[in-house]
Amino acid sequence: AQSVTQLDSQVPVFEEAPVELRCNYSSSVSVYLFWYVQYPNQGLQLLLKYLSGSTLVESINGFEAEFNKSQTSFHLRKPSVHISDTAEYFCAVSSTTSGTYKYIFGTGTRLKVLA
Amino acid sequence: GAGVSQSPSNKVTEKGKDVELRCDPISGHTALYWYRQSLGQGLEFLIYFQGNSAPDKSGLPSDRFSAERTGGSVSTLTIQRTQQEDSAVYLCASSRAGTGRKNTEAFFGQGTRLTVV
Repeated sequence: AQSVTQLDSQVPVFEEAPVELRCNYSSSVSVYLFWYVQYPNQGLQLLLKYLSGSTLVESINGFEAEFNKSQTSFHLRKPSVHISDTAEYFCAVSSTTSGTYKYIFGTGTRLKVLA
Repeated sequence: GAGVSQSPSNKVTEKGKDVELRCDPISGHTALYWYRQSLGQGLEFLIYFQGNSAPDKSGLPSDRFSAERTGGSVSTLTIQRTQQEDSAVYLCASSRAGTGRKNTEAFFGQGTRLTVV
């Protein structure tokens, strides 16, 4: 069965420091990978996605994630975080079973940026 | 509509009552998901509808939970004989996912906050 593991439930980091939020998945078939963000008291919104092509994908607010097929990982990184990045981040995998695609989400990582 | 719409946005109910939560997905999206998000917890998968296929109910926590999707569009999640542990935010998402489709981004509604007292 497919699964997504986010190893860290909470990550505190000081402002302007780098951060990496880890995500590993288990799937033996082609996958599409996503990171979603949920700001305090808001709904989930897509941050970035990997469908095909370059394994490094970027978001408009400075986050990036790299698809590593051999390590089945899709870690999210940002070289310098801001207070406004405080949110919960969810990794998700969409892969096919029986010809249709289904989403599986990780349990989330709560990023707390400290002043 | 322009996005996924869920109603009601908030629901307070007494323990033992039944509740119905509604989700209107984005027009043309064949896949629809229900998730539950409890305070401080991640996203718990409940049920998945894909087109006319039999739904994947593997995430429903008990037989008090059921869901249906009429006409391949609107979905209703029903919780019978609610318990306090059912208190959570119930999220619905839809996507264009289907055979061979790459544009499988899921769009989420704002959720229904259910409080069982």
